[in-house]
Amino acid sequence: NAGVMQNPRHLVRRRGQEARLRCSPMKGHSHVYWYRQLPEEGLKFMVYLQKENIIDESGMPKERFSAEFPKEGPSILRIQQVVRGDSAAYFCAARPSHSGNTIYFGEGSWLTVV
Amino acid sequence: AQSVSQHNHHVILSEAASLELGCNYSYGGTVNLFWYVQYPGQHLQLLLKYFSGDPLVKGIKGFEAEFIKSKFSFNLRKPSVQWSDTAEYCCAVSHSGNTGKLIFGQGTTLQVKP
Repeated sequence: NAGVMQNPRHLVRRRGQEARLRCSPMKGHSHVYWYRQLPEEGLKFMVYLQKENIIDESGMPKERFSAEFPKEGPSILRIQQVVRGDSAAYFCAARPSHSGNTIYFGEGSWLTVV
Repeated sequence: AQSVSQHNHHVILSEAASLELGCNYSYGGTVNLFWYVQYPGQHLQLLLKYFSGDPLVKGIKGFEAEFIKSKFSFNLRKPSVQWSDTAEYCCAVSHSGNTGKLIFGQGTTLQVKP
C-alpha cells in the first residue's frame, strides 16, 4: 500500500454526529484521493487534493462533506451530521508527483452510522 | 460519462480451473486501465495496468489482461486459479491525462473452492 495509513479503521457514529477520517500518505506523496464504497457497489471517486489545494471535488456530495490536505499533517475527510446512508468504506489513495497514473490505496476506514 | 462494467458479480471456481473476468468501459478517448485485487481484510493492491504498448499485460501472481480497443474491453485471465486467489477483483479506468482519478466497476467476488 506504499505506506498509505488510514485511521480509524472502524468508526461508529450516531446519526447527527460528525465523522473525521484521516489519511497519512508517505512523505513526498503530495497527491491524495478519497474514494467511497457503499455496500454492494464499486468504489466511487470523491475528491482529489494536492497539498493545501482541492483539485477535483466532482464526486463529493454537495452538503455535509468536506476534505482538506494541510501543509502539515494528514488529509482529513469530514462528514458532518452523519446519516445512515453515509455508512460505507472510505478509501484514501496517494501518489508522488512523478509516479504517473499509479496510485496506492490505504486499507480503508469503515464508517457505521447507527 | 465514463463508466466501467464488470459482467460477473460473483464467481465460484474450483482450484485449477481457468479464470476470465470481463471488464468493459465506456470512454472515447485515450485511457489507462487497471485491475486491482482486495484480499479479505486487506487493502486494494494493483494486479496489473495498461498505459500503452503491448495490449497483453502480465501482472503479479500469474494474472494477465488483454486490452482490446475495438471492444472497449480489458478482461482479466488466469489459466489455473488457487484457493488463495479468493478475493474481490476490481477493474478501473482513468483518462490518460487525469492523474489518479479512477472510475471503478462494481467489482467481482471470486471464490475458489479447494
